[in-house]
Amino acid sequence: KAGVTQTPRYLIKTRGQQVTLSCSPISGHRSVSWYQQTPGQGLQFLFEYFSETQRNKGNFPGRFSGRQFSNSRSEMNVSTLELGDSALYLCASRKGEGETQYFGPGTRLLVL
Amino acid sequence: AQTVTQSQPEMSVQEAETVTLSCTYDTSESDYYLFWYKQPPSRQMILVIRQEAYKQQNATENRFSVNFQKAAKSFSLKISDSQLGDAAMYFCAYRRIGNTGNQFYFGTGTSLTVIP
Repeated sequence: KAGVTQTPRYLIKTRGQQVTLSCSPISGHRSVSWYQQTPGQGLQFLFEYFSETQRNKGNFPGRFSGRQFSNSRSEMNVSTLELGDSALYLCASRKGEGETQYFGPGTRLLVL
Repeated sequence: AQTVTQSQPEMSVQEAETVTLSCTYDTSESDYYLFWYKQPPSRQMILVIRQEAYKQQNATENRFSVNFQKAAKSFSLKISDSQLGDAAMYFCAYRRIGNTGNQFYFGTGTSLTVIP
């Protein structure tokens, strides 16, 4: 069974631009979560989607948004990029409550 | 709020030896999950081991085992017979149980070096 996939793997943007990252969960997994990883802040939870509904949201500004499609694929959008948004963005999926969460390889975003 | 603390930013171990990574957490919940994830230089997060708080028996996965002390809110990872491939950043993580979403709380990580 294929793992969690994320596209693109690397991205370079400039301040003020917006970016969309994509995540395809493991087949049969209905939950997709997003995390931001930076050297200074570590791993921080962004949000989780389950069956196209946002279930939980971390402490991030409204510039960070997401959505989930009927096939469980998820996208994360960051508008008006700031230098501090440079990070590794990890997506993770799980089948349901109580199930193990599996991570994708991440998208490394660099904001110049 | 839940917090997870890993007090050892870096650890090293001789190949074939045993090493223990520490993790403590703070929660008012009685039921929850605890995890250890490994992140090698490739940056792919890999689940190492998981523990349900209601289970008193410590989880074991081959060379990896945990020492779960619920009252002390401690969850250490023991790696036996360390191998070069074990070199990675290790993250301890906490997650509540219940229909409240999948929010994980991660520690700051411990970088493990395996010396040949």
